[in-house]
Amino acid sequence: EVHLVESGGGLVQPGGSLRLSCAASGFNFSNSWMSWVRQAPGKGLEWVANIKSHGNDKYYVDSVKGRFTISRDNVKNSLYLQMSNLRVDDTAVYYCASGAFWANWGQGTLVTVSS
Amino acid sequence: EVVLTQSPATLSLSPGERATLSCRASQSVSSYLAWYQQKPGQAPRLLIYDTFNRATGIPARFSGSGSGTDFTLTISSLEPEDSAVYYCQQRYDWPLTFGPGTKVDIK
Repeated sequence: EVHLVESGGGLVQPGGSLRLSCAASGFNFSNSWMSWVRQAPGKGLEWVANIKSHGNDKYYVDSVKGRFTISRDNVKNSLYLQMSNLRVDDTAVYYCASGAFWANWGQGTLVTVSS
Repeated sequence: EVVLTQSPATLSLSPGERATLSCRASQSVSSYLAWYQQKPGQAPRLLIYDTFNRATGIPARFSGSGSGTDFTLTISSLEPEDSAVYYCQQRYDWPLTFGPGTKVDIK
């Protein structure tokens, strides 16, 4: 069974940094695209970033380019999102999702950016 | 950026009725359109990928159709557990985008 478990969320001040992790199990992680998708409180879904299986190709939504970095460790079966220069409008539940079709999602981790 | 528009914003129907949800793209996304269901406090769940392919474990009452810029998710006979927000999403071009969602209420 596929499991994706996010961690690392919390309260951070504007301008601060946070690193999210997603631990994966139950599927061939090293052969899978992986993604981060977020959802602001009471709002819809927004794609944040994608990383190809080998980790060399990365894609970002414009609003996080230069501030967020997606990475992965195929030995540890883990996905990461390094977030810096955080803004109030980055406040959201962050989900990791696997594969090209996002058939599997984690439970999400809440990031709150507030002073 | 491909902008996805969903209609209606809210749909209120009774159990057993047919629900038809629409998703329109600002430019062609070929067949690279997916549908997700999200219930309160839960992660999204993939229903349909690439226009008409049901994801594993999805009941046959859910079906997808369309191509290019106009897509439809049909729930043939609503069950009480189908109460949720439904999002369409395109993977044809970067950035990947979602529609704003259609809320389905079961009377």
